[in-house]
Amino acid sequence: AQSVTQPDIHITVSEGASLELRCNYSYGATPYLFWYVQSPGQGLQLLLKYFSGDTLVQGIKGFEAEFKRSQSSFNLRKPSVHWSDAAEYFCAVGTSYGKLTFGQGTILTVHP
Amino acid sequence: GAVVSQHPSWVICKSGTSVKIECRSLDFQATTMFWYRQFPKQSLMLMATSNEGSKATYEQGVEKDKFLINHASLTLSTLTVTSAHPEDSSFYICSARALLDMDNTEAFFGQGTRLTVV
Repeated sequence: AQSVTQPDIHITVSEGASLELRCNYSYGATPYLFWYVQSPGQGLQLLLKYFSGDTLVQGIKGFEAEFKRSQSSFNLRKPSVHWSDAAEYFCAVGTSYGKLTFGQGTILTVHP
Repeated sequence: GAVVSQHPSWVICKSGTSVKIECRSLDFQATTMFWYRQFPKQSLMLMATSNEGSKATYEQGVEKDKFLINHASLTLSTLTVTSAHPEDSSFYICSARALLDMDNTEAFFGQGTRLTVV
């Protein structure tokens, strides 16, 4: 069965600092990997996805993620965080037809 | 991009009543839709997979007689919470699978429905 682990429940960074959110997955086949962001009481917005090809994936809002098969990881990064990035971030692994398993989520707090 | 609309955004109902939540794909046909539930401060958990014209497939531990799913058309799936109880209060989110190209599919999410049972 597939699973996703986000080791950090809550991360706090200063505005302008760099950010890395960790994600480890377990999946028997080639994974389809996603990062979503959720603001309080809102639905999910897709930041980026990895299906195949280049292991460094660029997404919206300046985010990027790197797929490392040897480490079963898909960490999300941003070089300079903005206050508007404060939200909850979910890593997910999915099948080719869209069924997703989500990690526990990481809450990001941004200090001015 | 593909748009999925979920209605209502929030609903309050009395214990024992039923509530219907709609999930529509606005600009694409979705042969498969997924229903998730998110309890406060928790992650999203898949409840069921809905395929147009056939019975939904429920995840382990989800009561199919309590959470009725209908996927009667390629653009609409509904989730009905029957005989709702306070413990059913949660955030329900649907997603719809779009075929982007022959080798690429993706699921697009609705805005979610906040259900409060009093």
